[in-house]
Amino acid sequence: RKEVEQDPGPFNVPEGATVAFNCTYSNSASQSFFWYRQDCRKEPKLLMSVYSSGNEDGRFTAQLNRASQYISLLIRDSKLSDSATYLCAANDYKLSFGAGTTVTVRA
Amino acid sequence: DTGVSQDPRHKITKRGQNVTFRCDPISEHNRLYWYRQTLGQGPEFLTYFQNEAQLEKSRLLSDRFSAERPKGSFSTLEIQRTEQGDSAMYLCASSLGAPSLQETQYFGPGTRLLVL
Repeated sequence: RKEVEQDPGPFNVPEGATVAFNCTYSNSASQSFFWYRQDCRKEPKLLMSVYSSGNEDGRFTAQLNRASQYISLLIRDSKLSDSATYLCAANDYKLSFGAGTTVTVRA
Repeated sequence: DTGVSQDPRHKITKRGQNVTFRCDPISEHNRLYWYRQTLGQGPEFLTYFQNEAQLEKSRLLSDRFSAERPKGSFSTLEIQRTEQGDSAMYLCASSLGAPSLQETQYFGPGTRLLVL
């Protein structure tokens, strides 16, 4: 079993919609997590960090459920520019990434 | 530009050749990481340095791979006797190196390797 698993999607949503997806992790000792955004053929760019129960940054909300060992990302009022692959990572000094969730926002 | 830089951005080589990639981290960052990413997968950890010391190597890092960070600044990743399975994006990341699991890694643009 991979250390971090994500629903690959794709999630195909209209502009303005809300989309949410989860990431599960197997190492209960992991203390912090990150969501990175990756555009096609580009490097991952940090979107949000998640240390405690959750974090919110504008239209993006991340929540951490330690009991069930998952992290969620919710995007409100989706924009065309939100189309990307969203990578979840567990931080144990080195990052363990999921395979990514693809989101496509259509006009 | 004060971000992580990598060189070259693209490399095409023939099977059996050696290749070397360079990474320049953000200047005040003590930790430097190498990851490999193949199509449809997330980045996979290869190795990391704290200053010039290589502290951990993944089992993915076969004996054909070697990484150095001789002066604690830039790092090189060399692949000897390349194989087609080495084709991937090689990503470098750096972080401050604070003793905290909350510190953030910032990625460079990657070197895309194609082995023919």
